[in-house]
Amino acid sequence: GAGVSQSPSNKVTEKGKDVELRCDPISGHTALYWYRQSLGQGLEFLIYFQGNSAPDKSGLPSDRFSAERTGGSVSTLTIQRTQQEDSAVYLCACQRGDAQETQYFGPGTRLLVL
Amino acid sequence: QKEVEQNSGPLSVPEGAIASLNCTYSDRGSQSFFWYRQYSGKSPELIMFIYSNGDKEDGRFTAQLNKASQYVSLLIRDSQPSDSATYLCAVILSTNAGKSTFGDGTTLTVKP
Repeated sequence: GAGVSQSPSNKVTEKGKDVELRCDPISGHTALYWYRQSLGQGLEFLIYFQGNSAPDKSGLPSDRFSAERTGGSVSTLTIQRTQQEDSAVYLCACQRGDAQETQYFGPGTRLLVL
Repeated sequence: QKEVEQNSGPLSVPEGAIASLNCTYSDRGSQSFFWYRQYSGKSPELIMFIYSNGDKEDGRFTAQLNKASQYVSLLIRDSQPSDSATYLCAVILSTNAGKSTFGDGTTLTVKP
């Protein structure tokens, strides 16, 4: 596809369950970001990939959060033992990799932890 | 001090007025600056980018960059109710290997 896709678009889960969120970036875009956005709040940076490596994972809020990227393309963000405070919109963005390039955002995954 | 700072607002202007949004950044070596617009319930989308000192105009939007003072601003002329959104400033810091850093955003309301 031409844009960034994320799946699922909505996820409702019970506290304590694990969830996996997926991001399919634009082909050839080497940089990939995950953000979290709570209602009415700004973007909270989680992790940044350049290719398959993550030079900056400083935003991951706890060791329950992890992310990987394979083949320089698809990325998954995994949240283990979900908590109610994990409820938010999780946004993925990609960038062509040049430092002067813009980011293109996916539609987000809306996660609700009951 | 945050790396990228914006006035949280909300900023309210009447229809037809000029809306001025400001952003300051901490890294003097930063080279790339972006303004994104985010409508409620939607993902951010790029409005403008600017790399050089001075003004860059695109329709009703003008981005202004002053590297000496480390600020970048966005002016919206002839503001319309459809401009009501949150505006996010993003900077690629020289220290961060190409990673963009976002401000918290300024919410703009344009009243008819």
